Amino acid sequence: TQLLEQSPQFLSIQEGENLTVYCNSSSVFSSLQWYRQEPGEGPVLLVTVVTGGEVKKLKRLTFQFGDARKDSSLHITAAQPGDTGLYLCAGGGSGSRLTFGEGTQLTVNP
Amino acid sequence: GAGVSQTPSNKVTEKGKYVELRCDPISGHTALYWYRQSLGQGPEFLIYFQGTGAADDSGLPNDRFFAVRPEGSVSTLKIQRTERGDSAVYLCASSFGGPSGYTFGSGTRLTVV
Repeated sequence: TQLLEQSPQFLSIQEGENLTVYCNSSSVFSSLQWYRQEPGEGPVLLVTVVTGGEVKKLKRLTFQFGDARKDSSLHITAAQPGDTGLYLCAGGGSGSRLTFGEGTQLTVNP
Repeated sequence: GAGVSQTPSNKVTEKGKYVELRCDPISGHTALYWYRQSLGQGPEFLIYFQGTGAADDSGLPNDRFFAVRPEGSVSTLKIQRTERGDSAVYLCASSFGGPSGYTFGSGTRLTVV
């Protein structure tokens, strides 16, 4: 069974601070996706990474896929209250199903 | 429509009753997925359709759960003899398949009392 562990589980920071969320597994994934979910809504895709060592930037968000395709990180620069939400990583295997981590609940205080 | 539509948005049912949850995917998306999300957890895979057929139903917890997609578009998740432990948000997603990301609906919050 493929498992993804996210850390930290909860993160509360002040506006303007930087943060990093980690997603780790002992399994190799063919792709890794990051989603953001707000209360009462479904997860919204932020990025997909497929190549070991790949780095993608989305405004103030930087996503990295580990060289061995077992881990990933999400770094947010100068966090804003609008960044508040549940961040989920999800690994893709041989089929189309995704294995999700338990999520990191981020709160950015003004 | 432009997004994935799930109905109802909320469903309260009594233990032992039968429920149906509906998902209307994005037009043209051939792949459709059902996930279940408990409070404080990430989504857990239930079943995946490619077209009309269930390509992977290994996530269905037991034989009380069943899903169909008869015309390759709308899907219905059916739960028989509901139990309190079935209470969760049931999420539907669709995609073109492959490693591209999903588009999720807003989910159906099921509460079994």
